[in-house]
Amino acid sequence: QAQLVQSGAEVRKPGASVKISCRASGYRFIENYLHWLRQAPGQGPEWIGWINPYSGGTNYAQKFQGRVTLTRDTSITTAYMELSSLRSDDTAVYYCANQASMASFDPWGQGTLVTVTS
Amino acid sequence: EIVLTQSPGTLSLSPGQRATLSCRASQSVSSSYLAWYQQKPGQAPRLLIYGISTRATGIPDRFSGSGSGTDFTLTISRLEPEDCAVYYCQQYGGSPLTFGQGTRLEIK
Repeated sequence: QAQLVQSGAEVRKPGASVKISCRASGYRFIENYLHWLRQAPGQGPEWIGWINPYSGGTNYAQKFQGRVTLTRDTSITTAYMELSSLRSDDTAVYYCANQASMASFDPWGQGTLVTVTS
Repeated sequence: EIVLTQSPGTLSLSPGQRATLSCRASQSVSSSYLAWYQQKPGQAPRLLIYGISTRATGIPDRFSGSGSGTDFTLTISRLEPEDCAVYYCQQYGGSPLTFGQGTRLEIK
């Protein structure tokens, strides 16, 4: 079955960058957009952007424009999210998710906790 | 940006009862791009319903979705203890896609 597996937890200082990976299996990687979202403690998920694995095209939420870069490596069916100029309020669990029917998300990766602390 | 407001914030019911969760959008959600998710502690959200009313694969028929325009409802009939979770609605009829703040369902 379709599965997304993310890289492990990260700790960064303010101003640093972080790059998270998301490996897809069980479905044709290039067929569906791959989205990135994050969830701060006690909050609903927040959308960061998507990448088209086939073309490499991207679309970012305005809030993250200039700070986020989404890439992919089709040879290893893996997508990446890099977030720069980290602040303490970037502390959250970051998820990748496959865009499924009617612009829903299924499946999701297991999540990667990013902690930004001095 | 379309803001989704979920109510109530917390719902406490007994096994066997029916739960009705509301999601109200600040603008009409076009193309029926409205979904519902269940999230348990320490887990990623799980897709329950997409396209307002279509159950995702493997979701029991106790879960149903309805609504149109700006008002949407997730109904869980015959509550079971494992339904204890936070439920989120999500729209992608307008960019950026957005989620509601969630309804916490407690099973007494």
